[in-house]
Amino acid sequence: QSALTQPASVSGSPGQSITISCTGTSSDVGSYNLVSWYQQHPGKAPKLMIYEGSKRPSGVSNRFSGSKSGNTASLTISGLQAEDEADYYCCSYAGSSTYVVFGGGTKLTVL
Amino acid sequence: QLQLQESGPGLVKPSETLSLTCTVSGGSISSSSYYWGWIRQPPGKGLEWIGSIYYSGSTYYNPSLKSRVTISVDTSKNQFSLKLSSVTAADTAVYYCAGGRRAAAGTMGWFDPWGQGTLVTVSS
Repeated sequence: QSALTQPASVSGSPGQSITISCTGTSSDVGSYNLVSWYQQHPGKAPKLMIYEGSKRPSGVSNRFSGSKSGNTASLTISGLQAEDEADYYCCSYAGSSTYVVFGGGTKLTVL
Repeated sequence: QLQLQESGPGLVKPSETLSLTCTVSGGSISSSSYYWGWIRQPPGKGLEWIGSIYYSGSTYYNPSLKSRVTISVDTSKNQFSLKLSSVTAADTAVYYCAGGRRAAAGTMGWFDPWGQGTLVTVSS
């Protein structure tokens, strides 16, 4: 049982937009602007896509965007491309006793 | 450009101690910008944060693993290490080391970059 809840899978067609949710609590997502999102292709290490809720690292496409409302963070991918097919994980700082929690991951399929 | 590389045995016997090292290149492990972390991923499953260490030696552990985990740093070698004791088959996973960025408020923020990961199998 992961601390943050994500849908197991989402899908979309090329060119469409999809949103992946990440639901936590007032002790993690809701209390800190420290949600990050990672993309992981099979057999590869995770790659940072979004940090501090909505900021994109250099080199990450502006098709990726992040947001937060209350205890739920979201990752939106617009203009879906075949290369976006991967697993996506959210992560949040969770205070000075739990520190870091991950979501269970969401498998994105590009139809 | 900061790079991380894990090293250590790929096979550990049940009840023994798993030991891994992460070598940091392209930057100093004494940087105040990073909490150096370990994250694992059992086959076919999600990511689990194990723990992190600041260059000063302060450590932060996942409460569910705290009793079995020790993370240390060797600034002279630009390395940090993980020890996980009393392992069982449930500890079989790909283990990643990562640079945990320090957020503006001084807390742990996000992980970037990551090492390539190393598979550790617990089996007799």
